[in-house]
Amino acid sequence: KNEVEQSPQNLTAQEGEFITINCSYSVGISALHWLQQHPGGGIVSLFMLSSGKKKHGRLIATINIQEKHSSLHITASHPRDSAVYICAVSGGGSNYKLTFGKGTLLTVNP
Amino acid sequence: GAGVSQSPSNKVTEKGKDVELRCDPISGHTALYWYRQSLGQGLEFLIYFQGNSAPDKSGLPSDRFSAERTGGSVSTLTIQRTQQEDSAVYLCASSLASGRIEQYFGPGTRLTVT
Repeated sequence: KNEVEQSPQNLTAQEGEFITINCSYSVGISALHWLQQHPGGGIVSLFMLSSGKKKHGRLIATINIQEKHSSLHITASHPRDSAVYICAVSGGGSNYKLTFGKGTLLTVNP
Repeated sequence: GAGVSQSPSNKVTEKGKDVELRCDPISGHTALYWYRQSLGQGLEFLIYFQGNSAPDKSGLPSDRFSAERTGGSVSTLTIQRTQQEDSAVYLCASSLASGRIEQYFGPGTRLTVT
């Protein structure tokens, strides 16, 4: 079983829809990261969080430490949001390296 | 400001040849990471450098892989006697320190072993 599980693996939405991507992890962590990768593009860090909720524009990330679960929400989705969204965790203590989920491929149709 | 840069952006090599991949981290970033992204495995950790500490090599898949970081800045990942399963995108990331710190990723080097 992977240490970081994402769902769904693929997601297709219509422009304007509210999007939720889920991430569950099975290890102790110091932080959880949400990353974005456009086709053929590099990886961009969207959020890093260890508790609560963060918001940036139309993106919202939440984490529940007790339940070892995080969600990434996109409000008023747009075709330019089409990308792979990757959840990653950095371990507890001084463990710094990222362990990644397999990613969620989001396609937003106009 | 300048982000993390990697070179070459693409590398095609024949099986059995050695390759060197280069990473220039963001100036002032003391932590540097190498990751690999392959179709079958997704993203996986390879090696980590932090300041003058001994690197964490726990993610290197075999002794054909090695990396060094000179002067606490530029890093080189070397793959000896390349195999077809080494074909992947090799990503470098850097951060100000380690732990609960955002990592900044480079554009990657796409390695194809024929």
